[in-house]
Amino acid sequence: VQLLQSGGGLVQPGGSLRLSCTASGDTFSTYAMSWVRQAPGKGLEWVSAIRGSDDFTYYADSVKGRFTISRDKSKNTLHLQMNRLRAEDTALYYCAKDFGDPWFGELAYNFDSWGQGTVVTVSS
Amino acid sequence: DIVMTQSPLSLSVTPGEPASISCWSSQSLLHSNKNHYVDWYLQKAGQSPQLLIYLGSNRASGVPDRFSGSGSGTDFTLKISRVEAEDVGVYYCMQNLRTPPTFGQGTKVDIK
Repeated sequence: VQLLQSGGGLVQPGGSLRLSCTASGDTFSTYAMSWVRQAPGKGLEWVSAIRGSDDFTYYADSVKGRFTISRDKSKNTLHLQMNRLRAEDTALYYCAKDFGDPWFGELAYNFDSWGQGTVVTVSS
Repeated sequence: DIVMTQSPLSLSVTPGEPASISCWSSQSLLHSNKNHYVDWYLQKAGQSPQLLIYLGSNRASGVPDRFSGSGSGTDFTLKISRVEAEDVGVYYCMQNLRTPPTFGQGTKVDIK
């Protein structure tokens, strides 16, 4: 499956942005999907996940209450709505497909496909 | 949250020589199903991460057999039997036993 990301850009602190990730080559309705970010010069940080079967969502404490993950299965598209953005949200954001695990099911955080990344810069 | 710690943070290797990266977790990553929930990823310069190893020792599809993962409990190792020029990049371990999944700081590997 190929993941093509869009959205991102420069936004002022307190502002909002929406990221999108469209899957091609396979439908992703049965897969869990995650967003992972990488601050400039830093390592990887998991942000959020959504299950394919029931759209149950999970968030890192750092974004809970500000970010919302969702998916439009008719368009094979994953979204990340980011509100009340802070300077520390500045990062390269990746979407990632989860291939699951026989024990944990669809949500296992085994990321076998990644989008190309999209930059979010929060600055005044 | 489970803390993942890698060592070394930087590694310079001669082509054809072996390389080894260690990763420690703040809690055991052994599940009752006998699997260890640790993955290894490689991020090449300017690229998205790619999965190398899952469940501690299983190579992902298309990963050369010079890469191997091992370990148990809280101590894990990624080994490259003979480093090639294309192996340069930053290697991350990640635990996926508990939510949130957490990554190590990364180990930068380059060629001497």
